[in-house]
Amino acid sequence: KAGVTQTPRYLIKTRGQQVTLSCSPISGHRSVSWYQQTPGQGLQFLFEYFSETQRNKGNFPGRFSGRQFSNSRSEMNVSTLELGDSALYLCASRLAGDTQYFGPGTRLTVL
Amino acid sequence: AQTVTQSQPEMSVQEAETVTLSCTYDTSENNYYLFWYKQPPSRQMILVIRQEAYKQQNATENRFSVNFQKAAKSFSLKISDSQLGDTAMYFCAFFLVYSGAGSYQLTFGKGTKLSVIP
Repeated sequence: KAGVTQTPRYLIKTRGQQVTLSCSPISGHRSVSWYQQTPGQGLQFLFEYFSETQRNKGNFPGRFSGRQFSNSRSEMNVSTLELGDSALYLCASRLAGDTQYFGPGTRLTVL
Repeated sequence: AQTVTQSQPEMSVQEAETVTLSCTYDTSENNYYLFWYKQPPSRQMILVIRQEAYKQQNATENRFSVNFQKAAKSFSLKISDSQLGDTAMYFCAFFLVYSGAGSYQLTFGKGTKLSVIP
């Protein structure tokens, strides 16, 4: 089976812009989670979607949003970008159990 | 809230030797899972090993094994016969299984940077 894929892999934006990141889970996986990784804060949970419903959300401002489509693909959107949003954004998918499998990440740089 | 602590920011080990990475966690729950993930320079997060909290037997995956001490809330990773490809950041992670706040999300430690020296 193909693994989790994320597009784009690299992105450069300027402050104030918005960005959309995409994640395609492993075939058959219905849960998709998003994490932000920065040198200062480490890995932080953003949100989790299951069957198109957001089930859990981390402690991030409302500028961070997401959605999941009927084919389980997920998108994450960040509006009004700030310098501090520069990070590696990781997506992970899960079947019914506990183990999350990660994609290669999207490296976002905000200038 | 759950917390995960990795007290060793950096470690090094000679090739073919054994190394142990430490992890402690804090939770008041009983039904959870623990993981070790590896993140090499490529930044791809790779699952190394998984432990179910209700199982007393320590998990093993080839050269990787854990020492799970539930009462002490300790979950260390032992890497035997270290190889150059083991050089990476290693993250300990906690996963709570129940429908409530904090569930269905991985809580990560800060990571341990492991260097395998030839």
